Amino acid sequence: EADIYQTPRYLVIGTGKKITLECSQTMGHDKMYWYQQDPGMELHLIHYSYGVNSTEKGDLSSESTVSRIRTEHFPLTLESARPSHTSQYLCASSASGNTIYFGEGSWLTVV
Amino acid sequence: RKEVEQDPGPFNVPEGATVAFNCTYSNSASQSFFWYRQDCRKEPKLLMSVYSSGNEDGRFTAQLNRASQYISLLIRDSKLSDSATYLCVVNPWGDYKLSFGAGTTVTVRA
Repeated sequence: EADIYQTPRYLVIGTGKKITLECSQTMGHDKMYWYQQDPGMELHLIHYSYGVNSTEKGDLSSESTVSRIRTEHFPLTLESARPSHTSQYLCASSASGNTIYFGEGSWLTVV
Repeated sequence: RKEVEQDPGPFNVPEGATVAFNCTYSNSASQSFFWYRQDCRKEPKLLMSVYSSGNEDGRFTAQLNRASQYISLLIRDSKLSDSATYLCVVNPWGDYKLSFGAGTTVTVRA
């Protein structure tokens, strides 16, 4: 089993609130990713990081931001949540072998 | 054109049947290939890596065809528990971010 953890698993929050989705991995992986996925739809990469202090935007434009101050931690922040941000957010990590491991996901609902 | 394309299905098959499907990729320099399985409202999980010579894991067989730029997955003796979406994953640039297909849905019926 992969050692990658996301919190919260489920969050219902009001419009305009600031939220942070936490992601931690204990595998020492350099690469970490955030994907967004709506039910029944494909994965979209929104952020990735190759290591500490390295962050890049992914293929899908997102209003969220990320930081990578420690190898094991890759939090995602939305400064002002909107209903259009309602989705599942999946954190993942990989080592040089490129097998990618996913967390269980954070389901965000903005009302 | 998408980097990775899959037939979305769904493939509806009876228990015990064999089902196979492909995934095409656009970058001929791609180096690593994987099949992931995703259950409804769950995270994707690695099913198997795909090696150049082809490889088998129990009832699952993966093949790579570099000349035609596709990988395939074959499931023999399908079980109800094989019902899932199967994601094709390609590393298009070596040590770089992975490209995911949209997934092929397989439903095994009793």
